Amino acid sequence: AQSVAQPEDQVNVAEGNPLTVKCTYSVSGNPYLFWYVQYPNRGLQFLLKYITGDNLVKGSYGFEAEFNKSQTSFHLKKPSALVSDSALYFCAVRDTAGGSYIPTFGRGTSLIVHP
Amino acid sequence: NAGVTQTPKFQVLKTGQSMTLQCAQDMNHEYMSWYRQDPGMGLRLIHYSVGAGITDQGEVPNGYNVSRSTTEDFPLRLLSAAPSQTSVYFCASSYRPGEGYTFGSGTRLTVV
Repeated sequence: AQSVAQPEDQVNVAEGNPLTVKCTYSVSGNPYLFWYVQYPNRGLQFLLKYITGDNLVKGSYGFEAEFNKSQTSFHLKKPSALVSDSALYFCAVRDTAGGSYIPTFGRGTSLIVHP
Repeated sequence: NAGVTQTPKFQVLKTGQSMTLQCAQDMNHEYMSWYRQDPGMGLRLIHYSVGAGITDQGEVPNGYNVSRSTTEDFPLRLLSAAPSQTSVYFCASSYRPGEGYTFGSGTRLTVV
């Protein structure tokens, strides 16, 4: 079975500082990993994905994520946070083993960037 | 290119009423899913489809039906609305499992 955990309900960071939003996963085979962002009263928007290859994945709006197989983690990062980055962030995983076609989403982490 | 279109955006139902939430995509995506979003619960999968004529249950399917007669459309039917179905509903689609989802803008449903 596939599962994903976002251990922090909320992350607070000052504008201009680096940010990290944590995600850990559990799969039987190899993972497909995704990050999405949701702004208030909007649908989710795709940020980036890891399928295979380079462990550091770059995505939209200056975000990147690092895949760590030994720690089963896929943390979202940005070198310098903006107030406009404040939103709800979701990590998702799909297990390539077991015939699962649909990703499982985490509960979401609220990112608040203070001016 | 409209992406994923959900209608209506808002709906209030009385307990016991039925309704259909519409979802349409124009990207020729095979994979489509319905999720509900509740505070503190994240996104929970209701039903999904891997192609026209093929549907399956997700994590929370009770009280909901789906069908997929065309690649473009994936409606979600509430059979007899209950207050526990008050939620925000999202439809999403992707071309294949390795691609990210495109989400609709959501339907906010209140059952009184």
